[in-house]
Amino acid sequence: AQSVTQLDSHVSVSEGTPVLLRCNYSSSYSPSLFWYVQHPNKGLQLLLKYTSAATLVKGINGFEAEFKKSETSFHLTKPSAHMSDAAEYFCVVSEVKIIFGKGTRLHILP
Amino acid sequence: NAGVTQTPKFQVLKTGQSMTLQCAQDMNHEYMSWYRQDPGMGLRLIHYSVGAGITDQGEVPNGYNVSRSTTEDFPLRLLSAAPSQTSVYFCASSRGDRYTDTQYFGPGTRLTVL
Repeated sequence: AQSVTQLDSHVSVSEGTPVLLRCNYSSSYSPSLFWYVQHPNKGLQLLLKYTSAATLVKGINGFEAEFKKSETSFHLTKPSAHMSDAAEYFCVVSEVKIIFGKGTRLHILP
Repeated sequence: NAGVTQTPKFQVLKTGQSMTLQCAQDMNHEYMSWYRQDPGMGLRLIHYSVGAGITDQGEVPNGYNVSRSTTEDFPLRLLSAAPSQTSVYFCASSRGDRYTDTQYFGPGTRLTVL
């Protein structure tokens, strides 16, 4: 069965430190995987996507994610957090259905 | 390009009232969809359309109707509003393959049903 789990509902990091948002998925075949970001009171915007090309995917604003089939993971990382990264992040698995994770709210501490 | 636009931004209804949430896109995208977002639930698919004249149900379709008479517009109708439909509603569109293409989201409609 197809599913997606975001392992943390809230993550807090200090400005300038690395960011790690974790996403595990399950699927039967070859899914497409996405990360979207939602800033307060806004719609969602694509950060990056994996669609069976390179397993390390670079996105906007310095974010990247690595598709690891053996671990069924698609974790989102950024080397150095900025205050403007404070937002909610959604991992999405897309195969037979399009399924959104429940979201991880990222807090940036000054 | 305006992208995906939604109206209204905010709406308050009484139980039993009906209304239509409007969604339009100017990118000539074939695929459009409606989601609802509730706290801690992520986004759940209500209805979607793969082209003009073609619609189908998503995960949570009860209480909602859609139609797609043009490529640009995809309105969502609430037939008889219930407090359980209090939510933020997002419309999205993508160019072609709905499973691999990027979805472009509107700014949302915040609906409260009293």
